[in-house]
Amino acid sequence: QKEVEQNSGPLSVPEGAIASLNCTYSDRGSQSFFWYRQYSGKSPELIMSIYSNGDKEDGRFTAQLNKASQYVSLLIRDSQPSDSATYLCAVFRSEKLTFGTGTRLTIIP
Amino acid sequence: SAVISQKPSRDICQRGTSLTIQCQVDSQVTMMFWYRQQPGQSLTLIATANQGSEATYESGFVIDKFPISRPNLTFSTLTVSNMSPEDSSIYLCSARPARGTDTQYFGPGTRLTVL
Repeated sequence: QKEVEQNSGPLSVPEGAIASLNCTYSDRGSQSFFWYRQYSGKSPELIMSIYSNGDKEDGRFTAQLNKASQYVSLLIRDSQPSDSATYLCAVFRSEKLTFGTGTRLTIIP
Repeated sequence: SAVISQKPSRDICQRGTSLTIQCQVDSQVTMMFWYRQQPGQSLTLIATANQGSEATYESGFVIDKFPISRPNLTFSTLTVSNMSPEDSSIYLCSARPARGTDTQYFGPGTRLTVL
């Protein structure tokens, strides 16, 4: 079982709709959770962090964490073409970040 | 946050040679890391660059192949030694700015092609 799993996609979402990205992790001792966005040919850019169960909102982005289910998600509301990218889930434990394989998101105008 | 720069941004190298990648952060940071991202893959941690001491390598990565230096709190280098085409990848420097935080930022990456 991979430490951090994501659906690789591609996930296609119409412009203006909600994009939902999911991530599961295997280590119950994981301490914190991150979402990075990576445009093609660019390096990862941090967009959200979440530390406790529940929802955390930042603009059009909402991160959701359920530690009992070992599940993290990212919702993007009012999706824009500029949101088209690969989204990487990362899990922090013991001073290290472990990344999932990423979900490729395409917003269709 | 931290602004991270890397040099070179890309390079094409011959098999058997070595390349040193430099990473500069605009402020002192507690921890620096080197990752590799192979085409179509996610990020794999190579090592943690420790200031003033030997780097801590992840399983599958060794110092002879990937020597790392970190002479101060803002700078690190990664050398890819005796390169083969399998080393073609993007190499990313990352930093964690403050003690007690796990937020991590990435440099723009170095795209390496080995012929």
